[in-house]
Amino acid sequence: KAGVTQTPRYLIKTRGQQVTLSCSPISGHRSVSWYQQTPGQGLQFLFEYFSETQRNKGNFPGRFSGRQFSNSRSEMNVSTLELGDSALYLCASSRAGVSSGNTIYFGEGSWLTVV
Amino acid sequence: DQQVKQNSPSLSVQEGRISILNCDYTNSMFDYFLWYKKYPAEGPTFLISISSIKDKNEDGRFTVFLNKSAKHLSLHIVPSQPGDSAVYFCAASLRYAIEGSQGNLIFGKGTKLSVKP
Repeated sequence: KAGVTQTPRYLIKTRGQQVTLSCSPISGHRSVSWYQQTPGQGLQFLFEYFSETQRNKGNFPGRFSGRQFSNSRSEMNVSTLELGDSALYLCASSRAGVSSGNTIYFGEGSWLTVV
Repeated sequence: DQQVKQNSPSLSVQEGRISILNCDYTNSMFDYFLWYKKYPAEGPTFLISISSIKDKNEDGRFTVFLNKSAKHLSLHIVPSQPGDSAVYFCAASLRYAIEGSQGNLIFGKGTKLSVKP
């Protein structure tokens, strides 16, 4: 079955712009989580959506937001981009979320460069 | 404040020998631990997990050991193969989350493993 799909894979934005990243989870998976990976901080949790509701959020500023659609596809948005937002953004899906003990599967990520 | 720490940023091992990757955590409420492997330009791939009710879980060449009193877990790869060269992330979670919180994965910063032929 198809894995977690993230688009776009690579993008370059200018400071102050906004960006939207998309994630299509594995079919049947209702939980989608987003993570930011940077060399200095490793993988950091952004937020988790389940059945179109955000049910957990990491320690990121309000410029980072997301949503989930009825088909479980999710988008994350970063407004007023800063140079420090340059990172690999990973989406992960699972049937019911990590707290249920389900294995989560990651997409290949979206590489964002802010110049 | 890092709740999950992987103190060795890199590790080099000879092919056929054992690789031991270490991870420490500070939150005694964590009760579910996972290891992920990541190749460059790819997303992390789940390797193995362990619940806090166990102290060992084995899957082929991979074994994870959990020492709750020391808040320490380790991943053993035996025998190591060149294809195991990747970045390994340790992650922890509250499997049975506090009411109102569904939990999330807290990752360490990763250890880059190089297995030399």
